[in-house]
Amino acid sequence: QSALTQPRSVSGSPGQSVTISCTGTSSDVGGYNYVSWYQQHPGKAPKPMIYDVNKRPSGVSDRFSGSKSGNTASLTISGLQTEDEADYYCCSRAPTSYVFGTGTKVTVL
Amino acid sequence: EVSLVESGGGLVQPGGSLRLSCAASGFFFSNYWVAWVRQAPGEGLEWLANINQDGTTKYYVDSVKGRFTISRDNAKNSLSLLMDSLRGEDTAVYYCGRWGGGTWIDLWGQGTLVTVSS
Repeated sequence: QSALTQPRSVSGSPGQSVTISCTGTSSDVGGYNYVSWYQQHPGKAPKPMIYDVNKRPSGVSDRFSGSKSGNTASLTISGLQTEDEADYYCCSRAPTSYVFGTGTKVTVL
Repeated sequence: EVSLVESGGGLVQPGGSLRLSCAASGFFFSNYWVAWVRQAPGEGLEWLANINQDGTTKYYVDSVKGRFTISRDNAKNSLSLLMDSLRGEDTAVYYCGRWGGGTWIDLWGQGTLVTVSS
């Protein structure tokens, strides 16, 4: 049950795209198409942005997209906006548990 | 309005116990798996426990097995987390969450802070 590995931080200018990786193992990310992503602003509860690898919940901008290859999932934010500055966490199902990623701080320059 | 509201957090001494509650409203609580997730100060999210719709199946992260117990009361639309033998490293904001489709947490509470300190 080790945390999934994410880069500590990524940054980009408004309008650019950034991609956050989430690396696990064949027992979690690689074994299930059940990766979700959450956005968290300081002092707030997490907000779901992507589920089942690449599905967007109702109301989430189509600037957010997800994908997966092998044991690594990715979240891409296109057309970066100032309100996208936040922490982002991936989460994957595992055999009898769930595991979150280490978290990535996205900074809009 | 669909919501989850946690309560019961506070200051507790090491070795002590605390029960957290989560009140659900605006949806059929008994239809969903639900979970507890925590976040230590300045740290990331950590999944703690899941419970199925009728409370017969429970899963825990290794770090809380034998110390924490998840339970639910569908008649009261309520989820609980009983925490025993608390340690300093259990200091965190505790969130309850609803599993949408069983694969993602589609609804989160606002969190309740638990501080373990003498």
